[in-house]
Amino acid sequence: TQLLEQSPQFLSIQEGENLTVYCNSSSVFSSLQWYRQEPGEGPVLLVTVVTGGEVKKLKRLTFQFGDARKDSSLHITAAQPGDTGLYLCAGDSGNTPLVFGKGTRLSVIA
Amino acid sequence: DVKVTQSSRYLVKRTGEKVFLECVQDMDHENMFWYRQDPGLGLRLIYFSYDVKMKEKGDIPEGYSVSREKKERFSLILESASTNQTSMYLCASTGPDNYNEQFFGPGTRLTVL
Repeated sequence: TQLLEQSPQFLSIQEGENLTVYCNSSSVFSSLQWYRQEPGEGPVLLVTVVTGGEVKKLKRLTFQFGDARKDSSLHITAAQPGDTGLYLCAGDSGNTPLVFGKGTRLSVIA
Repeated sequence: DVKVTQSSRYLVKRTGEKVFLECVQDMDHENMFWYRQDPGLGLRLIYFSYDVKMKEKGDIPEGYSVSREKKERFSLILESASTNQTSMYLCASTGPDNYNEQFFGPGTRLTVL
């Protein structure tokens, strides 16, 4: 069974701080996705990383796919209250439904 | 933009009732999914469908069934609702050419009393 472990589970920081959340697995994925979910809403796709070592930037968010395509990280620079939410990573093996991590719940305090 | 809609945002039912959760997507996606989301357990796949009239069990299909009579619509059915089915239910769809990227509906928060 493929598993994705996300850490930390919870993170509470002050506005303006930087943070990194992690998504780790012992399995290799063909691609990995990050979603953000706000309270009472469905997850929304932020980015997909496909190539080992790939780095993608989305404004203040930087996503990296590990060289071996088993792990990924999300770094947020100068966090803002609007970044508050549940961040989910999901791995795609190609032939089966996505495998989701349990998420990191981020709270950014003004 | 892909739009996935779910029939209700909030639903309250009694134990033993039959419950229908409807999901409709407007982008002609082949694949549709039903998940439930519970604190500490994350997203768990209930059922999915890769085509009309096709269905596959996910990780937790017990107590649920599904129906896909039209490509755009995927229904989740709780034959006899129980209190342990109180949860947030999320529907998603995905097309064939986009790394299995999922488009989610807003969710239905179901409470079974």
